[in-house]
Amino acid sequence: AQSVTQPDIHITVSEGASLELRCNYSYGATPYLFWYVQSPGQGLQLLLKYFSGDTLVQGIKGFEAEFKRSQSSFNLRKPSVHWSDAAEYFCAVTYSGAGSYQLTFGKGTKLSVIP
Amino acid sequence: NAGVTQTPKFQVLKTGQSMTLQCAQDMNHNSMYWYRQDPGMGLRLIYYSASEGTTDKGEVPNGYNVSRLNKREFSLRLESAAPSQTSVYFCASSVATLAKNIQYFGAGTRLSVL
Repeated sequence: AQSVTQPDIHITVSEGASLELRCNYSYGATPYLFWYVQSPGQGLQLLLKYFSGDTLVQGIKGFEAEFKRSQSSFNLRKPSVHWSDAAEYFCAVTYSGAGSYQLTFGKGTKLSVIP
Repeated sequence: NAGVTQTPKFQVLKTGQSMTLQCAQDMNHNSMYWYRQDPGMGLRLIYYSASEGTTDKGEVPNGYNVSRLNKREFSLRLESAAPSQTSVYFCASSVATLAKNIQYFGAGTRLSVL
């Protein structure tokens, strides 16, 4: 069964510092990978996605993620964090093929930003 | 653009009561989904509807029923609520149930069962 691991439950960074949130997925031939952000009391918003091609993908709000097949990872990065980035971040995976519509989510990483 | 709209936003139930969570999307999407979110658990799929007239179980369907009323609307029903169903419920929709189809989420319904 497909699975996603986000090793960090909670991360605290200072405003202006760089950020990396980790995500590892279970091996699959053709993973489709997503990062979603959830602000307090809100629904999930798509930050970026990877389907194929360039392994470094750009998203909204200055975020980027790098797909590394050899490490089964899809880490999210931002060079300089803003206070408004405080939220919970979810990595998700699905795979091409029959019945692959089901998104599997990680348990989330909560980001706190110190002014 | 409204996107995916969920009602109500908050609800408190007593054990054994029933209720229906409503979801509507205005993006002309074929597929709709219901998830629950529990602390430290991420999101788990309860039911989904690949297209109008079809519904299927997800990972955690027990205690729930769904109805795809039409292309726009997908409701989730709790027939006899239990404290274990205290959760945040999210509805989502996508163009179709293909892996590349991005799912768009509503703002959620926060349900407490006492």
